[in-house]
Amino acid sequence: QVTLRESGPALVKPTQTLTLTCTFSGFSLSTSGMCVSWIRQPPGKALEWLALIDWDDDKYYSTSLKTRLTISKDTSKNQVVLTMTNMDPVDTATYYCARGGGLDAFDIWGQGTMVTVSS
Amino acid sequence: QSALTQPASVSGSPGQSITISCTGTSSDVGGYNYVSWYQQHPGKAPKLMIYDVSNRPSGVSNRFSGSKSGNTASLTISGLQAEDEADYYCSSYTSSSTLNVFGTGTKVTVL
Repeated sequence: QVTLRESGPALVKPTQTLTLTCTFSGFSLSTSGMCVSWIRQPPGKALEWLALIDWDDDKYYSTSLKTRLTISKDTSKNQVVLTMTNMDPVDTATYYCARGGGLDAFDIWGQGTMVTVSS
Repeated sequence: QSALTQPASVSGSPGQSITISCTGTSSDVGGYNYVSWYQQHPGKAPKLMIYDVSNRPSGVSNRFSGSKSGNTASLTISGLQAEDEADYYCSSYTSSSTLNVFGTGTKVTVL
């Protein structure tokens, strides 16, 4: 059974750096073709793709957020980490990690973690 | 990279069929057969309903079907049921530097 779970702070202050961790099971990111994406959804708004890391450690970012995002993986821990710098209230959203992205659909999603940016 | 365009809302009565459109460009929807559809109930994570334009994952009802013509993809729900009331999002691979793009989302209401 494939599962993903996001973890991280529920509240961050403006200008701070957000670090989110996606811990997964049921698959390995060292398997050829496998990838994990981060996606966010502001309250009442649409989904927005943020970043992807694949089995070969290739990384892809949303053009509009590229300068603020870093994605990395720890294959031994089955974890993918996303950092977002210079947080702003408009970054308030539920952040999801999901298996897939690129040419592949997002077939399994985590439950999401709500992050509020406020002083 | 702009979001794909979906109607804000679509409604239908139980048993009817409805279709949700998803319009992009030749750089995304029109250029590749990598369109997927997601169902999201309030407070829940999205669920994959259709991938690669018209394929259903195991366990998804055959009342859901997908198609594509030019730069527009479509999701059809036949035999509409109360449990189908949810938000629906399309997504596509894109040749722009942003790898994936989502649609603006459609709220489906069962009357």
